[in-house]
Amino acid sequence: SQELEQSPQSLIVQEGKNLTINCTSSKTLYGLYWYKQKYGEGLIFLMMLQKGGEEKSHEKITAKLDEKKQQSSLHITASQPSHAGIYLCGAGLLKPLNAGGTSYGKLTFGQGTILTVHP
Amino acid sequence: DAGVIQSPRHEVTEMGQEVTLRCKPISGHNSLFWYRQTMMRGLELLIYFNNNVPIDDSGMPEDRFSAKMPNASFSTLKIQPSEPRDSAVYFCATRRGRLATFTDTQYFGPGTRLTVL
Repeated sequence: SQELEQSPQSLIVQEGKNLTINCTSSKTLYGLYWYKQKYGEGLIFLMMLQKGGEEKSHEKITAKLDEKKQQSSLHITASQPSHAGIYLCGAGLLKPLNAGGTSYGKLTFGQGTILTVHP
Repeated sequence: DAGVIQSPRHEVTEMGQEVTLRCKPISGHNSLFWYRQTMMRGLELLIYFNNNVPIDDSGMPEDRFSAKMPNASFSTLKIQPSEPRDSAVYFCATRRGRLATFTDTQYFGPGTRLTVL
């Protein structure tokens, strides 16, 4: 089973609709990152969350990390065809060395959510 | 800033041949990661370097894979001999900052799409 589960696996929406993608773990999430990938291209960094309850927004995309730091959501408002692509969450699942843990900052990634936006 | 540079962007080779993938990190970034992405297994970490030293190579599939970072501005991932199951997209990512932190972002290169026939 995946250590980091993304849902849904794929999503098809009409332009203008809102949508939410979730990233869930059974472990505490340290440093949660959201990336977007288009076919044949690399991962583009969107946002990073660290603190429980933290919320960040950029243009029409908002990401939140829940208080218990075991789930993050990515919400897109009024979706556009330019939002189409694969969204991946990446997170540290072990406490980093500088916080008394053992991790050097390794990220584990979810399987990705494929978003299609129809005009 | 040029971003992370990878070459080649596409590589098609025959089984048994040696393949070398290259990565130039963002200037000033002292952490470098090699990942492999496939439909079946998603994005997997292969190896992690910090200040040119390999820190974690537990993700390297087998002895056919090797990685080097001879200096701060260049890294290679070599597969010898290559097999069809090595077909995947290989990404290099780099990060500024200290060894053990989640405060800095990993920036990914465009990837190398490898096809082994």
